Amino acid sequence: SAVISQKPSRDICQRGTSLTIQCQVDSQVTMMFWYRQQPGQSLTLIATANQGSEATYESGFVIDKFPISRPNLTFSTLTVSNMSPEDSSIYLCSVEGGSWADTQYFGPGTRLTVL
Amino acid sequence: AQSVSQHNHHVILSEAASLELGCNYSYGGTVNLFWYVQYPGQHLQLLLKYFSGDPLVKGIKGFEAEFIKSKFSFNLRKPSVQWSDTAEYFCAVMALSGNTPLVFGKGTRLSVIA
Repeated sequence: SAVISQKPSRDICQRGTSLTIQCQVDSQVTMMFWYRQQPGQSLTLIATANQGSEATYESGFVIDKFPISRPNLTFSTLTVSNMSPEDSSIYLCSVEGGSWADTQYFGPGTRLTVL
Repeated sequence: AQSVSQHNHHVILSEAASLELGCNYSYGGTVNLFWYVQYPGQHLQLLLKYFSGDPLVKGIKGFEAEFIKSKFSFNLRKPSVQWSDTAEYFCAVMALSGNTPLVFGKGTRLSVIA
């Protein structure tokens, strides 16, 4: 399986600030995704990070709130902007493609607490 | 839109008991099916997957799942659970038509007691 790392692993932030989460994969992958897992809830897809073009957002998520970058086939960032306590969640990146077709593998997640 | 239902929110079993976790999905077309596991303090890991062929698939750590197309189900089973199986289990479905995302169920927390 892919080796996926995320930074930071956790953070505590003040409301109104922004946090950028990084996701790094140890080999090139076709697809990278960002999910949110709110406390006691399942995973919800925020967006698909497209290399070389704008991310594709799911219903209920917008670029102004969750800007995403994907400069190459092994790296992506998700920014949580103008945070509020409701943004407290675990944010996960996942990857698909390359040597792991048709199956998504997940990073360790970033636990975000907004005060 | 497709959805995934996991009927059991929390299951408590004694060691050596048999396990079956239910998963049903709503989508009439062809799907890929997955079970993921999240052990305490660890990240989400793939347990097993079904794409096609034999509807009974075997995964890691003695888990298996059976795809029953007529029932839109993909239940997870293990004949004899261990304390180390304590974790959160997520069923996920991806429809193969169109550019559809992987959809997760709400998860089932399994607690295995000695």
